[in-house]
Amino acid sequence: DTEVTQTPKHLVMGMTNKKSLKCEQHMGHRAMYWYKQKAKKPPELMFVYSYEKLSINESVPSRFSPECPNSSLLNLHLHALQPEDSALYLCASSQGQGNRGGFGAGVPYEQYFGPGTRLTVT
Amino acid sequence: AQKVTQAQTEISVVEKEDVTLDCVYETRDTTYYLFWYKQPPSGELVFLIRRNSFDEQNEISGRYSWNFQKSTSSFNFTITASQVVDSAVYFCALRPLIQGAQKLVFGQGTRLTINP
Repeated sequence: DTEVTQTPKHLVMGMTNKKSLKCEQHMGHRAMYWYKQKAKKPPELMFVYSYEKLSINESVPSRFSPECPNSSLLNLHLHALQPEDSALYLCASSQGQGNRGGFGAGVPYEQYFGPGTRLTVT
Repeated sequence: AQKVTQAQTEISVVEKEDVTLDCVYETRDTTYYLFWYKQPPSGELVFLIRRNSFDEQNEISGRYSWNFQKSTSSFNFTITASQVVDSAVYFCALRPLIQGAQKLVFGQGTRLTINP
């Protein structure tokens, strides 16, 4: 099973709503990622979790709150979003964070991506 | 600083034509990895290839081939005998192999349309 699943596929929310995006993988991967992708742009990294601990936060506004309840699940809690937050939110996982063979050596772990949640903020 | 440039924003060809997607990168690191990802309309990014900076051998996988030229900082991707299913956005990405470097630096992507 090399699949990363994301729910919901589409989400429309108002600026005062609270919603959550969910991501799940059963590949035994210990690193999970959230990316944001605006239309016609490449993905931008938001957060990285390694062994269920937040490892990287790319200066994301606090209205986005990630959570990793266990090694298979990754959530992104949304609150008081702005229309400019409308985008495709992609989840990814990899066997580990960094490189196979340690930092400064080895091969980067490849990331497996889910299909994304297309979020519209009205 | 790292940068990846995919100068071709959109390419449209007729099925069975060969097509090459260009990727030019900038980095001061001596050790790095280059990637190509495919993003079909369904949304997920599909990993296609990873190549390290010390391996300049070209690679072929079925109808796909990659040409890595360190002298020109390019990592181009060719699809031979294109098919409609190849229609997608293709991203080239760079990642230095140094401690603390976690991010993939993506190009802006090339939207490839294969017409029947």
